[in-house]
Amino acid sequence: QVHLVQSGSEVKKPGSSVRLSCKTSGDTFTKHAISWVRQAPGQGLEWMGGIMQIFGTTHSAQKFQDRLTLTADTSTNTIYMELHDLKFEDTAIYYCARDSSYGGNDYWGQGTRVSVSS
Amino acid sequence: EIVLTQSPGTLSLSPGERATLSCRASQRVVNDYLGWYQQKPGQAPRLLIYGASSRATGIPDRFSGSGSGTDFTLSISRVEPEDFAVYFCQQYGSSPWMFGQGTKVEIK
Repeated sequence: QVHLVQSGSEVKKPGSSVRLSCKTSGDTFTKHAISWVRQAPGQGLEWMGGIMQIFGTTHSAQKFQDRLTLTADTSTNTIYMELHDLKFEDTAIYYCARDSSYGGNDYWGQGTRVSVSS
Repeated sequence: EIVLTQSPGTLSLSPGERATLSCRASQRVVNDYLGWYQQKPGQAPRLLIYGASSRATGIPDRFSGSGSGTDFTLSISRVEPEDFAVYFCQQYGSSPWMFGQGTKVEIK
């Protein structure tokens, strides 16, 4: 069974940072990259970036490059996404998703709701 | 970056009808690395098609993908009640891995 278990909801103030976690099975952690995708209320999907955790390599959308940090903890098979300098428009559900060996994202976490409010 | 444009925005169909969804890329998608996802309200997306035309594990054969280069299509041969949802395409051939804006398939 493949499971990606994400951390709980967050409420943050503008200008602050949020750190979300995505815990995976060992097999997923060592063999698959992980992507982060967000979805603002009533909107479509937005790819943010991804990490190949065993190498520590990352890539991200240009709009997030200055604010996004992706890391991994090999001792707990957990991937972290940190978004800095939060804005109201960062209010969204954030998903982690496994990059399939064949292409696309075949397993998804349950999502974490982040609300940015003053 | 590659921009994906999906059409139509909304598709109104009766159960049993055929659905044809389009995804057009602003540049050629490398290796036709194009996926299709289904999303229902309150749920995470589900991968239907990868590599433009290969069905993901457990996906019914009424779903099919076709196309190459810049023009891609998702077809549902006979829409079932559980198929009413929003569908997104995504290219993962070159970074950033953009999504299209989605097509909503609704009950007519």
